[in-house]
Amino acid sequence: NAGVMQNPRHLVRRRGQEARLRCSPMKGHSHVYWYRQLPEEGLKFMVYLQKENIIDESGMPKERFSAEFPKEGPSILRIQQVVRGDSAAYFCASSPSTDVGYTFGSGTRLTVV
Amino acid sequence: TQLLEQSPQFLSIQEGENLTVYCNSSSVFSSLQWYRQEPGEGPVLLVTVVTGGEVKKLKRLTFQFGDARKDSSLHITAAQPGDTGLYLCAGFTGGGNKLTFGTGTQLKVEL
Repeated sequence: NAGVMQNPRHLVRRRGQEARLRCSPMKGHSHVYWYRQLPEEGLKFMVYLQKENIIDESGMPKERFSAEFPKEGPSILRIQQVVRGDSAAYFCASSPSTDVGYTFGSGTRLTVV
Repeated sequence: TQLLEQSPQFLSIQEGENLTVYCNSSSVFSSLQWYRQEPGEGPVLLVTVVTGGEVKKLKRLTFQFGDARKDSSLHITAAQPGDTGLYLCAGFTGGGNKLTFGTGTQLKVEL
């Protein structure tokens, strides 16, 4: 049973380009969460999704960032017109329900040059 | 204002020493979790504490949940280099919808 799969592991984008980060949750997990982490810092919540629904996006910047979790396929975190400040590690986690521990992926390290 | 404050922020010790990491908040949590994160990887869940005053042991790691469920501690006995990593406490907020993480404690255990 594969864990949470994120790809790509590393992504380099020039300023102004789009970044697409993918996350396949663990089998049987219908809850997906995205977090952002800067070097030597804790994780900052971005968004919580269930299939086809955004449940809580209180941590998402209002502009340029969007997330989806379609009925079929992985969850996608999309960053449009990236800026240098978007450089960070982005982690996806999944869980079978709320109020239980999360399983995290290995992250996508985004570098904006 | 950070909901969960961890101390110390950095800790560098020698193999065999004992250490304690603290996680404090002014809020009450229904449960607290501890994760360890190694460089280049995602956090891995170590334990969940639910009941005020609860103590859980995981080999050389001892986790305690405060009586008022506002704080927690992680104690490591006879630390080993393999314990090196970022330790994060986390609690559910937003009606249980999301896990909020603490500020983190970066531990380095040297030979």
